[in-house]
Amino acid sequence: GESVGLHLPTLSVQEGDNSIINCAYSNSASDYFIWYKQESGKGPQFIIDIRSNMDKRQGQRVTVLLNKTVKHLSLQIAATQPGDSAVYFCAENTGGFKTIFGAGTRLFVKA
Amino acid sequence: SAVISQKPSRDICQRGTSLTIQCQVDSQVTMMFWYRQQPGQSLTLIATANQGSEATYESGFVIDKFPISRPNLTFSTLTVSNMSPEDSSIYLCSSWRGTDTQYFGPGTRLTVL
Repeated sequence: GESVGLHLPTLSVQEGDNSIINCAYSNSASDYFIWYKQESGKGPQFIIDIRSNMDKRQGQRVTVLLNKTVKHLSLQIAATQPGDSAVYFCAENTGGFKTIFGAGTRLFVKA
Repeated sequence: SAVISQKPSRDICQRGTSLTIQCQVDSQVTMMFWYRQQPGQSLTLIATANQGSEATYESGFVIDKFPISRPNLTFSTLTVSNMSPEDSSIYLCSSWRGTDTQYFGPGTRLTVL
């Protein structure tokens, strides 16, 4: 596999449990936030996004929560599966098309 | 979803040489983006490439080191010049489909010896 995620914070969960990955963003002017999943040897893949006028958005098995007061973003994965093992990145956007990535978290799912 | 391809997928190069990475998008896009992902790190934006104008570089990246071409609306190249081992990274190309979703290529894994 590639070296992505070797030095990143790690979250280890049991298969079937819920996962929560947290992220602090830096720019209070950011109005669009995205979570990406990066598997070994691949580019980041869009998971879910949220705009600053919302504080929660749900997708299939995933939920993103946004707390603008403390500039905090979280990704919740329900019933985590082995296929969810990857590095997860939060990213922020200030209204243009330039996306700034935050630090990632490596998720290990134990069978 | 947008399809973005990159060539080469990986390369091992000697220090002092240059490598040009190609990025092809399956539809016309106004802006293309180049990112670097150093080993074990997150993605850092190198530059934004617009067709018909010079690329816009982020702080810490300069055109002499990372020249970019954008000859048309579906293609871009990034050259890593005068390489050193510190340039060993994954280089990723990206574009947006509409205004909602950003897509990434698979990356080019560069190792400089």
